[in-house]
Amino acid sequence: EIVLTQSPDFQSVTPKEKVTITCRASQSIGSSLHWYQQKPDQSPKLLIKYASQSFSGVPSRFSGSGSGTDFTLTINSLEAEDAASYYCHQSSSLPPTFGQGTKLEIK
Amino acid sequence: EVQLVESGGGLVQPGGSLRLACAGSGFTFSRYWMHWVRQPPGKGLVWVSRIHGDGTMTRSADSVKGRVTISRDNAKNTVYLQMDSLRAEDTAVYYCVRGGPGVAADHELDYWGQGTLVTVSS
Repeated sequence: EIVLTQSPDFQSVTPKEKVTITCRASQSIGSSLHWYQQKPDQSPKLLIKYASQSFSGVPSRFSGSGSGTDFTLTINSLEAEDAASYYCHQSSSLPPTFGQGTKLEIK
Repeated sequence: EVQLVESGGGLVQPGGSLRLACAGSGFTFSRYWMHWVRQPPGKGLVWVSRIHGDGTMTRSADSVKGRVTISRDNAKNTVYLQMDSLRAEDTAVYYCVRGGPGVAADHELDYWGQGTLVTVSS
């Protein structure tokens, strides 16, 4: 099973700040890495697919990069509505796995 | 608009059974892989099971293998998760999630239902 390790687990940030969340895979997964946002009491929503492709309707301040084992989700100019947990997910091999999540708190 | 609506959650005793259902609309249901992903209270996301669009290919996580059966009825645009021999650690919100179209299984999970809570407790 491929293990995804996100960092940090928690981050407290101010509006307009730039945020970077990383996801490291225990073995190479090419570009089969996806990012989701989950706000409190809501279901997860897809942000980025295949490492860097933005999903329809996602604000342009969200972007992704990386390949192989190291991936990054970047949020430029953070907004208050971005307070949420963020998860990475690999679809390269069975079973599909998720990172443990990164919780963003807005100061 | 793609919509996924789960039903069937509730309180069940350890060792009991439950069948979850998920009705899809707004897309050609039979073309897509469908997944179940769960989230224990206060914890992260865990993949449970998936089924190909025509229902011929299924896989489940080792933690539930032999205790869950995923199936679908494309005439009703519905996917099911039959859960047997339930344990306390199965307590979670269960999400129905759309995967990709076609045969390839390497895909993102693009639309999620609102989730249904399963509580296993005596």
